[in-house]
Amino acid sequence: SQKIEQNSEALNIQEGKTATLTCNYTNYSPAYLQWYRQDPGRGPVFLLLIRENEKEKRKERLKVTFDTTLKQSLFHITASQPADSATYLCALYTGGFKTIFGAGTRLFVKA
Amino acid sequence: EAEVAQSPRYKITEKSQAVAFWCDPISGHATLYWYRQILGQGPELLVQFQDESVVDDSQLPKDRFSAERLKGVDSTLKIQPAELGDSAMYLCASSPNTGARGTEAFFGQGTRLTVV
Repeated sequence: SQKIEQNSEALNIQEGKTATLTCNYTNYSPAYLQWYRQDPGRGPVFLLLIRENEKEKRKERLKVTFDTTLKQSLFHITASQPADSATYLCALYTGGFKTIFGAGTRLFVKA
Repeated sequence: EAEVAQSPRYKITEKSQAVAFWCDPISGHATLYWYRQILGQGPELLVQFQDESVVDDSQLPKDRFSAERLKGVDSTLKIQPAELGDSAMYLCASSPNTGARGTEAFFGQGTRLTVV
């Protein structure tokens, strides 16, 4: 069956370190992949999009990689801050207008 | 900055009652989505509109849920009758119709539904 997996356990890191979140998928060949941030009780906010022909994308302290052979995307936050604490969702465009979201990974950055 | 507006923010209803949610997308956005998000899970697409037409409602429980976007602008999602398992966050999102794949979705704040 088609599946998107993100670390179900929360990620706890110290301020200033790099946070790395993983998104693995099976049985898809997505044309692109998106990452969103979601704070408690609020709607997701778009962060980055990476296309199947791109290996890496950067935006300020954020970096996303996309390995279509491994069927994996990695999301990095460098020099993390307590304000980066949130749930991060990956989303795959699977064709036919459909985008599928993963369950998300909670990140806690300690001061 | 333009936002997707949703109302109400919170709704408590008794099971078997009817409930409705409203969404006003960002002006000019042709694509509108309704998602349901259960606590601890990712958003699940219920229905997607392109202008006033439904392009995907494969995950919409049509025996109790209905959605409309009559003039291709704002949209209403209705549940009748509500069941305990419908308790969740209902999110509306919109995207501009740029013709390019991969356009980001802009989400509203959501409606937190509790069925008692």
